[in-house]
Amino acid sequence: GNSVTQMEGPVTLSEEAFLTINCTYTATGYPSLFWYVQYPGEGLQLLLKATKADDKGSNKGFEATYRKETTSFHLEKGSVQVSDSAVYFCALSGRLYNFNKFYFGSGTKLNVKP
Amino acid sequence: GAGVSQSPSNKVTEKGKDVELRCDPISGHTALYWYRQSLGQGLEFLIYFQGNSAPDKSGLPSDRFSAERTGGSVSTLTIQRTQQEDSAVYLCASSLARSRGDGEQFFGPGTRLTVL
Repeated sequence: GNSVTQMEGPVTLSEEAFLTINCTYTATGYPSLFWYVQYPGEGLQLLLKATKADDKGSNKGFEATYRKETTSFHLEKGSVQVSDSAVYFCALSGRLYNFNKFYFGSGTKLNVKP
Repeated sequence: GAGVSQSPSNKVTEKGKDVELRCDPISGHTALYWYRQSLGQGLEFLIYFQGNSAPDKSGLPSDRFSAERTGGSVSTLTIQRTQQEDSAVYLCASSLARSRGDGEQFFGPGTRLTVL
């Protein structure tokens, strides 16, 4: 079946540090991969996505590359800011019986200190 | 444009009472999802509607939970005989169901349910 595993948090970094949040997946077929972000007190919103192998999704300085050979979609940012403090969710969208069912990881909380 | 809306935003109820949570998806979105997010936890899938197809109810935790979607638009999640462990934020999301499975989900602000 389909599933997503992401690193447990919280992750605490100083401002301008390099960020990596690991995400690996198990899926049948060729899923699309997503990162969603939930800022404090706000709803979930899409951060970036990739729809096929070797695609790189990017937004707001964040990047993630769809690696089929390692079944991974790690989130990276070269220099984090305090405003990046949030919970990050990795997700995949499978195609099962023509449905577009989503599978989310457990979330990783990021705390960025000034 | 209008996003996904949910009501009420907060609901406090007594153990054993029934509650109804409402979701208005984005107009034209054929797929609708319900999730539960407990404090400090990830998203727990509950149920998924796609067009006129039978819903995927595989995530509903017990038969006290049910959901319907009328006219392919508004959805109601009903929890009967609420228990304290039902306390959580209930999130609704909608998307355009695309054959490539790459349709973005748009989330509502959630309903925070507290069962006393």
